[in-house]
Amino acid sequence: DIQLTQSPSFLSASVGDRVTITCRASQGISSYLAWYQQKPGKAPKLLIYAASTLQSGVPSRFSGSGSGTEFTLTISSLQPEDFATYYCQQLNSYSLTFGGGTKVEIK
Amino acid sequence: EVQLVESGGGLVQPGRSLRLSCAASGFTFDDYAMHWVRQAPGKGLEWVSGISWNSGSIGYADSVKGRFTISRDNAKNSLYLQMNSLRAEDTALYYCAKGDAADIINWFDPWGQGTLVTVSS
Repeated sequence: DIQLTQSPSFLSASVGDRVTITCRASQGISSYLAWYQQKPGKAPKLLIYAASTLQSGVPSRFSGSGSGTEFTLTISSLQPEDFATYYCQQLNSYSLTFGGGTKVEIK
Repeated sequence: EVQLVESGGGLVQPGRSLRLSCAASGFTFDDYAMHWVRQAPGKGLEWVSGISWNSGSIGYADSVKGRFTISRDNAKNSLYLQMNSLRAEDTALYYCAKGDAADIINWFDPWGQGTLVTVSS
């Protein structure tokens, strides 16, 4: 199975900060990667698919990049509503694994 | 508006069975793959199983293979997960999620609010 490693697992940031989360795949997955945001007590929400395509309705401060084995999710200017846990997911094989998550907290 | 409503969760003893359901509305159900994803308390997301639009392709996580069975009834716009031989480590919130296309290998959007399964004696 393809493993996804997210880093960092936790980060503390301030409103207005630029934040970058990395997701590394154990083998190449082309651009078959999605990012989700999960707030406490809520279901996950799709942010980005195909590594860099923003889901409709998601603010443009979110962006994704990468291909192969290394991917990034960037929030250009962190807003109060962005404090949440973020997960990557690979879509390259029939075992649709998630990364371990990155919790973004207020500094 | 797409709606996914899970039901069937509860407290069950180890070794017993439980059947989860997901009622879908607001989209053409039989055009899309569907999935179950779980989240143990305080932990991350784990894909459990997925089923293509016509049940022709089905996948399971290794952790549930041979114990869980996914199915769908397109006439009833419903998704199911039959869980047998339940273990304490199956305790989690189980989400139903809509795939973005007919085949399994696609992103999930949206997700239901989940149904809680607790396996304990």
